[in-house]
Amino acid sequence: EIVMTQSPATLSVSPGERATLSCRASQSVSSNLAWYQQKPGQAPRLLIYGASTRATGIPARFSGSGSGAEFTLTIGSLQSEDFAVYYCQQYGAWPPAWTFGQGTKVEIK
Amino acid sequence: EVQLVESGGGLVKPGGSLRLSCAASGFSFSSYSMNWVRQAPGKGLEWVSSISPTGSFIYYADSLKGRFTISRDNAKNSLYLQMNSLRAEDTAVYYCAREPSGSYYDSWGQGTLVTVSS
Repeated sequence: EIVMTQSPATLSVSPGERATLSCRASQSVSSNLAWYQQKPGQAPRLLIYGASTRATGIPARFSGSGSGAEFTLTIGSLQSEDFAVYYCQQYGAWPPAWTFGQGTKVEIK
Repeated sequence: EVQLVESGGGLVKPGGSLRLSCAASGFSFSSYSMNWVRQAPGKGLEWVSSISPTGSFIYYADSLKGRFTISRDNAKNSLYLQMNSLRAEDTAVYYCAREPSGSYYDSWGQGTLVTVSS
């Protein structure tokens, strides 16, 4: 099983500042990496797929980078609605066995 | 608009069974792989199972050890999860999610809560 490790567990950021979240895979997943945002009581929402492609309707302040086993999600200028938990997910394993990171909570500083 | 609506959750005793359903609308259901993903209270996301568009290919998380069965009915635009021999650790919100083949999840339902307790 490919293990996904996210850091930090919690990130305290002031509105308007940049946030950088990391995700590491235990082996290469190529660019088969997605990022999701989840707010309390809501289902996750797809932000990024293919490591760097924004999903439909996602603001440009969200950007993804990386390949292989190291990935980054950057939120360019945090808005109030961006405070949430963010998960990375790999979909590069065969046979298919999708795995998620444990999540990074972005909270207001 | 893509809609996924789960149902069938509830309180069940350890060792019991439950069948979850997910009703899909707003897209060509038979063209997409579908998945179940769960989230225990206060915890992260855990993939449960995946089924290909025609049902020919099915995958499960190793941790389930044969207790769960995924299925679909393309004529009814519905996805199912039969859960047997339920344990306290199966307590979670269960989401159905649409998967553009072999990849990420681009749409999610609102989830249905399964509580396993005596």
